Amino acid sequence: DVKVTQSSRYLVKRTGEKVFLECVQDMDHENMFWYRQDPGLGLRLIYFSYDVKMKEKGDIPEGYSVSREKKERFSLILESASTNQTSMYLCASSNDRTNEKLFFGSGTQLSVL
Amino acid sequence: GENVEQHPSTLSVQEGDSAVIKCTYSDSASNYFPWYKQELGKRPQLIIDIRSNVGEKKDQRIAVTLNKTAKHFSLHITETQPEDSAVYFCAASDPTGGFKTIFGAGTRLFVKA
Repeated sequence: DVKVTQSSRYLVKRTGEKVFLECVQDMDHENMFWYRQDPGLGLRLIYFSYDVKMKEKGDIPEGYSVSREKKERFSLILESASTNQTSMYLCASSNDRTNEKLFFGSGTQLSVL
Repeated sequence: GENVEQHPSTLSVQEGDSAVIKCTYSDSASNYFPWYKQELGKRPQLIIDIRSNVGEKKDQRIAVTLNKTAKHFSLHITETQPEDSAVYFCAASDPTGGFKTIFGAGTRLFVKA
């Protein structure tokens, strides 16, 4: 079965810190995504990538950047964390050009104090 | 870009009753409509999906209907059970907008025993 692994389940950071959220998938999927999940707002797309070194902005990219140096790894970077970035972050991957079924990681609950 | 609206935000039903969740989408180019279930503390998982060339799809107690003209689709759960209690997300995939899936805000379903 597909496994999408996020490096941390819970993370506490201070305002202004640089934060790295890591995601690794083991099924050679081409497409990878970062979403944030907030109550009442559903899952909002931050960034996605459909190939190594490729990245595309989602609906809420402000304050975030991403890196995809290897096919299996997609990192989300908060250059200078702010309190409004406190959220659950979910990584996902999918395996074909039509971007169908998404496989999600377990999520990282980030708290910025 | 695509926008997906989902209603209701909360739904409470008695065990054995049916539950219906409705979604509308804005981009007529969207052609893939998945539904994800997220149990408390767990990752979202795909439960059923439908493509734009199909009007209805059924899998045991769950079914999804799609009205392309009206741009809305619905999830139907019959004979609900306590284990159906979860948050359900509808989504739309817009191939012309890149390889991204846009989600609704979610519906929290409570099934009372």
